[in-house]
Amino acid sequence: KQEVTQIPAALSVPEGENLVLNCSFTDSAIYNLQWFRQDPGKGLTSLLLIQSSQREQTSGRLNASLDKSSGRSTLYIAASQPGDSATYLCAVKVQAGTALIFGKGTTLSVSS
Amino acid sequence: GAVVSQHPSWVICKSGTSVKIECRSLDFQATTMFWYRQFPKQSLMLMATSNEGSKATYEQGVEKDKFLINHASLTLSTLTVTSAHPEDSSFYICSAGGLAGAGEQFFGPGTRLTVL
Repeated sequence: KQEVTQIPAALSVPEGENLVLNCSFTDSAIYNLQWFRQDPGKGLTSLLLIQSSQREQTSGRLNASLDKSSGRSTLYIAASQPGDSATYLCAVKVQAGTALIFGKGTTLSVSS
Repeated sequence: GAVVSQHPSWVICKSGTSVKIECRSLDFQATTMFWYRQFPKQSLMLMATSNEGSKATYEQGVEKDKFLINHASLTLSTLTVTSAHPEDSSFYICSAGGLAGAGEQFFGPGTRLTVL
């Protein structure tokens, strides 16, 4: 059974720092992986989608990498800002048409 | 990206009543919709998968008679929490996928259910 783990559970950094959030999954046979952002009491905002054949995706200050063979993905946030404060969720899809399986998230706090 | 809406965004009800939550894909046809539940400071847990025109598939431990799911069209799925109790209070989020691009799942804004 696929399981997704995110480390660390919480992270506090000063504004301007570059940071890395980690995600690992137990079964390397995945269809794709998505990173989401969730603000308190809100729904999910999709940040990046990486297909199983891809190694990384970039959007603005965000870069997500995927190493399927080792069961790992990282989300790199450059030049962090207070507005980046949120919970970041990693999720994997095992097969097309199936549901995403989520990690517990990393709660990020960026202080000004 | 594609847009998924949910209604209502929040609801407060008395114990024993039933509550219906709607999930709509606004600009694409969703062959499959997923319902998740999220307790405070927890991650999203899949409750069920619904395919248009067929019965929903429930995850282990989720009571299908309590959480009724109907996916009558390619743009609408509903979750009805029957005879709600305080322990059903949670954040319910729907997600749609299918015909829209590359296996990406799009999420609704969620519904906060509070059962008194």
